Amino acid sequence: AQSVSQHNHHVILSEAASLELGCNYSYGGTVNLFWYVQYPGQHLQLLLKYFSGDPLVKGIKGFEAEFIKSKFSFNLRKPSVQWSDTAEYFCAVKGGGSQGNLIFGKGTKLSVKP
Amino acid sequence: EPEVTQTPSHQVTQMGQEVILRCVPISNHLYFYWYRQILGQKVEFLVSFYNNEISEKSEIFDDQFSVERPDGSNFTLKIRSTKLEDSAMYFCASSEGARGLSGNYGYTFGSGTRLTVV
Repeated sequence: AQSVSQHNHHVILSEAASLELGCNYSYGGTVNLFWYVQYPGQHLQLLLKYFSGDPLVKGIKGFEAEFIKSKFSFNLRKPSVQWSDTAEYFCAVKGGGSQGNLIFGKGTKLSVKP
Repeated sequence: EPEVTQTPSHQVTQMGQEVILRCVPISNHLYFYWYRQILGQKVEFLVSFYNNEISEKSEIFDDQFSVERPDGSNFTLKIRSTKLEDSAMYFCASSEGARGLSGNYGYTFGSGTRLTVV
């Protein structure tokens, strides 16, 4: 069965610090990978997605993620965080064979101190 | 930008009561989903729906749950007899399809309905 692991439950950073959130998945076949963000009181929003091609994917708000197939990883990065990045971040995977449902990780809460 | 709309935003219900959560997916999307997020836990897949029938469901989606697309726009989740552990945020999502018209999987989530069972 597919699963997604996010290593950090809660990350606290100061503004301008660099961010890397880990995500590992278990699935042997072709995968589609996603990062979603959930700001306090709001719905899930897509940050970026990987389907194929360049393993370095750029998303909105300066976020990027790198797909490393050999490590089954899809880590999210941002060179310099802002207070407004305070949110919960979810990694999700969809196996190529399923109808379309996403498997989510448990989420990482990011708190950015001004 | 097209949105997935969910109503109500918050519903409080007594244990044992039936609730219906409503969603209006994006009009040209073909696949519809319900997910839920219990407070402090991860987002969990409940069910996907395509061509007027359930295409996949998780073990969470037991006989207490049902989904319906009663007309061309609404997509509903019904919980027949709510339990305390059904308290969660319920998200509706839609996508263009298995491969999507553009070749991508265009998932869009609604804002969620917070269900509180007391």
